[in-house]
Amino acid sequence: GAVVSQHPSWVICKSGTSVKIECRSLDFQATTMFWYRQFPKQSLMLMATSNEGSKATYEQGVEKDKFLINHASLTLSTLTVTSAHPEDSSFYICSAASDSSSYEQYFGPGTRLTVT
Amino acid sequence: AQKITQTQPGMFVQEKEAVTLDCTYDTSDPSYGLFWYKQPSSGEMIFLIYQGSYDQQNATEGRYSLNFQKARKSANLVISASQLGDSAMYFCAMNQRGNNRKLIWGLGTSLAVNP
Repeated sequence: GAVVSQHPSWVICKSGTSVKIECRSLDFQATTMFWYRQFPKQSLMLMATSNEGSKATYEQGVEKDKFLINHASLTLSTLTVTSAHPEDSSFYICSAASDSSSYEQYFGPGTRLTVT
Repeated sequence: AQKITQTQPGMFVQEKEAVTLDCTYDTSDPSYGLFWYKQPSSGEMIFLIYQGSYDQQNATEGRYSLNFQKARKSANLVISASQLGDSAMYFCAMNQRGNNRKLIWGLGTSLAVNP
């Protein structure tokens, strides 16, 4: 089956620093990737949709200058949390989809970010 | 507006018994897809089952089946012969109008399987 990896799986950073999270599709080409955040015991909240080679589309209320998304290749998308603050602490999950299926998407294992 | 409702915050089931997790949806589109995902404590989202709105039969995948009642706009997940490893959060989702892969999520149901 299709495999999506995320790196790192967890990260602790100091307030004011930036942190980059990578999402890779290991065995397929991902034309579209999605970035979600999830607070404890809550549902997933879509942050943005990224298509390879073009700018990401952010959901309403998500600061594009704070959450920088780069989908530079068909197997890699990155989310950079800039000038992180404690309220950015969350579980970040990516998912990836290819053109071979009209509805399937494959989720990464998630990255737990803690900002101190 | 499109919406997914899961009314059971938590459910308990005895090992080896069947359990039904409820999901209702709201959409005015004739074409849509419904999904169920499992999220264990490790955090990964595991795809379980998919039902297209035009599918004539209820979807089944091993011990998982989807009880699709279109007129009632419900898409309940049935897990047969529950196992301890089924303890997890379960999310129902629907793809958004105009974008088959953009999902609208329910709030989830926490399932605990008792030995």
